[in-house]
Amino acid sequence: EPEVTQTPSHQVTQMGQEVILRCVPISNHLYFYWYRQILGQKVEFLVSFYNNEISEKSEIFDDQFSVERPDGSNFTLKIRSTKLEDSAMYFCASSPGTGGSFFGQGTRLTVV
Amino acid sequence: GQSLEQPSEVTAVEGAIVQINCTYQTSGFYGLSWYQQHDGGAPTFLSYNALDGLEETGRFSSFLSRSDSYGYLLLQELQMKDSASYFCAVKGNNRLAFGKGNQVVVIP
Repeated sequence: EPEVTQTPSHQVTQMGQEVILRCVPISNHLYFYWYRQILGQKVEFLVSFYNNEISEKSEIFDDQFSVERPDGSNFTLKIRSTKLEDSAMYFCASSPGTGGSFFGQGTRLTVV
Repeated sequence: GQSLEQPSEVTAVEGAIVQINCTYQTSGFYGLSWYQQHDGGAPTFLSYNALDGLEETGRFSSFLSRSDSYGYLLLQELQMKDSASYFCAVKGNNRLAFGKGNQVVVIP
């Protein structure tokens, strides 16, 4: 069964460093998303991406964040200068457009 | 904007039925989704209602009333593996807005 894959599963980085989280969405899906979940809290929307551009972003998605689809399969989230409060589980998701979104297993980011 | 209200925790015995409610306020609505999340895991898509009424998928059913901005997820014939958090999520034009979730604990 097709699935969204994310790498790495865990990432530890020092404050101020840049990180890139990688995702391979389901191949025939058209909509791609990044969400994050701080431990014990709800899932929060970061950004959606369609037709090679950002379609919507939340207030969390500030200038430190960027997304890219560098080729036909990968979808990346970059955090330019990480802060302690960026520590969270980051989920990539994709959707065919209608119905539900399908999530990857997440990348646990720890900023120290 | 969007806001979703869900009660926090439910404990039920195996074989029982649990209903998880969700009320929402949103400026843009395409449908209501439900997701299951086990501790440390990813949200898993369960069901989606774009129109009023009941959608049944095996032991799980989901209901939507757009006029009442209300939906529920019905878990039937509960199994131990159903112990998880359950989230409703409003599907807007370009995003899902998740509720805080409801922890379901299934006991023998």
